[in-house]
Amino acid sequence: LAKTTQPISMDSYEGQEVNITCSHNNIATNDYITWYQQFPSQGPRFIIQGYKTKVTNEVASLFIPADRKSSTLSLPRVSLSDTAVYYCLVGDSMGNNNDMRFGAGTRLTVKP
Amino acid sequence: DTEVTQTPKHLVMGMTNKKSLKCEQHMGHRAMYWYKQKAKKPPELMFVYSYEKLSINESVPSRFSPECPNSSLLNLHLHALQPEDSALYLCASSQGPSVDNEQFFGPGTRLTVL
Repeated sequence: LAKTTQPISMDSYEGQEVNITCSHNNIATNDYITWYQQFPSQGPRFIIQGYKTKVTNEVASLFIPADRKSSTLSLPRVSLSDTAVYYCLVGDSMGNNNDMRFGAGTRLTVKP
Repeated sequence: DTEVTQTPKHLVMGMTNKKSLKCEQHMGHRAMYWYKQKAKKPPELMFVYSYEKLSINESVPSRFSPECPNSSLLNLHLHALQPEDSALYLCASSQGPSVDNEQFFGPGTRLTVL
């Protein structure tokens, strides 16, 4: 089974900030948290990765509380083109095959 | 070049056919992956190759046979498939075979088994 739990779906409107939370209660000390975005009929695309506190890049921010049992992907001012499925993965550098399992993901729909 | 290419884009095959899916990357990545994805489901890991050796096989039926001829190429040989094997087959690569390495995915091959 995947190590993460996410909401199945979310709706938003253009221009809003969207926060998608991922639960990973059994996260291990060496685990990183990685988010991918997938559009229909395309392969997933890496968005952001973090270990603790906050990470920001040109696309998104990732907030990780001190206990690391959850993380929140924040998409600022979404547009219609951000409609996609977002996956959270948790794992370390040991190549454990359990880490490679994608959870159900969150289907984000951005409305005009 | 940060691209993973997959051929063909679409494939229709009968249950008695033998076909192959191909995947190529030129990023110097040493890990390559095959995933299967059904409609509205997450990608499902099938195989992982690390330094051209099969490191993970997720109990995939033997009608799927992976091959890694060199560090840039990954094939998936298909034989005697069932209609339920129809899906999008995704190839990915990364620096190393672990989740903390960013995976680069190809566009996928849409397979239909009749």
